Amino acid sequence: EAQVTQNPRYLITVTGKKLTVTCSQNMNHEYMSWYRQDPGLGLRQIYYSMNVEVTDKGDVPEGYKVSRKEKRNFPLILESPSPNQTSLYFCASPKSGTYGYTFGSGTRLTVV
Amino acid sequence: RKEVEQDPGPFNVPEGATVAFNCTYSNSASQSFFWYRQDCRKEPKLLMSVYSSGNEDGRFTAQLNRASQYISLLIRDSKLSDSATYLCVVNMAPSGSARQLTFGSGTQLTVLP
Repeated sequence: EAQVTQNPRYLITVTGKKLTVTCSQNMNHEYMSWYRQDPGLGLRQIYYSMNVEVTDKGDVPEGYKVSRKEKRNFPLILESPSPNQTSLYFCASPKSGTYGYTFGSGTRLTVV
Repeated sequence: RKEVEQDPGPFNVPEGATVAFNCTYSNSASQSFFWYRQDCRKEPKLLMSVYSSGNEDGRFTAQLNRASQYISLLIRDSKLSDSATYLCVVNMAPSGSARQLTFGSGTQLTVLP
């Protein structure tokens, strides 16, 4: 079954403490993307990757880093989290046979 | 102006009603269009793609009007299980390039017994 798996599902952390949210996909697809979702603002793209070692900024990249060392994994890194990064985060990769996406189950991050 | 705009609702309708959502997009070069469904606190899931000729999937009908740059979703005979947020999604990337999906903020639907 085509899957995008992200961890953890829930994370509460303190300001400034580095964290990583992992994402992996089993569809062997080149393209992966990270989004954050906030009330009233919808889903906004943070970073995307078109292939291994190829990443680019989305609409809201400030405060985030990503890496793509292998095709299946695309971790999201917050070097120094701040409260305005409290949000619901989704990793996504294209859904085979369509131009839509398969999303991970989401990571609800709270930065206090 | 937002690139993809939707009426946020909420739409509260009785079971069995027909409900329609509209969505407008700003980029006339947009290539592909979708409706996603998102249940509370869960990930968005692809409901259906939207084709130029219009398309139907059971009780759901999607239409695209390129001249007016809007997309619609019609739900007939609504069920309690249709309660969710419906996201209008547009791929604004030029044909052949990476898939750059832009999401509307969503329209919340509650179907009442």
